[in-house]
Amino acid sequence: SYELTQPPSVSVSPGQTASITCSGDKLGPRYVSWYQQKPGQSPVLVIYQDTNRPSQIPERFSGSKSGNTATLTIRGTQAMDEADYYCQTWDSNSACVFGTGTKVTVL
Amino acid sequence: EVQLVQSGGGLVQPGRSLRLSCTASGFTLDDCVIHWVRQAPGKGLEWVLNFNWKRGTLDSVDSVKGRFTISRDNSRKSMYLQMNRLRPEDTALYYCARGSSSNYFDMDVWGQGTTVTVSS
Repeated sequence: SYELTQPPSVSVSPGQTASITCSGDKLGPRYVSWYQQKPGQSPVLVIYQDTNRPSQIPERFSGSKSGNTATLTIRGTQAMDEADYYCQTWDSNSACVFGTGTKVTVL
Repeated sequence: EVQLVQSGGGLVQPGRSLRLSCTASGFTLDDCVIHWVRQAPGKGLEWVLNFNWKRGTLDSVDSVKGRFTISRDNSRKSMYLQMNRLRPEDTALYYCARGSSSNYFDMDVWGQGTTVTVSS
């Protein structure tokens, strides 16, 4: 089965930049989305189709992709950004796949 | 307001069945793909299945094939996840989510989640 690999955790100081990677075999041609999940809450879509941001998501969130690695970047990280983040794509059988998840801690 | 409201869930014995509901507000199910995603305690997100109302097609993860099915009511506002022959490993918080109109794998609206516990 298709797998997406993320670092288990990322730590960042307030106001600094956090980068979360997501790697998968032949990820390049596939769209990648990113979700934020705070404790006790439902996930929220923060990036879709690699680089697009829903209108209600702050501009400090951005997405990019190079080769088989997608990256979610949070610039000027705030305490409210502390959450779990999941990347997501789909495989050749039209099955959705989520990444392993990354816990972002704002120190 | 566009939202999904979930109900159902609870404690059930292995091998039994349970039905979860997902009710749409601000849109109708005819126009979209609805996903079900689950999260086992302390674990990450796992996609379970999706249903495309226009095409009438269902795609699912292998572990639920033949056990989980979808239905809806005539109002086209509610859909149901029928879970049969439940296993302990099905224990999780279950979310329904709407696939966006531009790419149905982007889940732009999520329900609040409902808990399923499979245990004797």
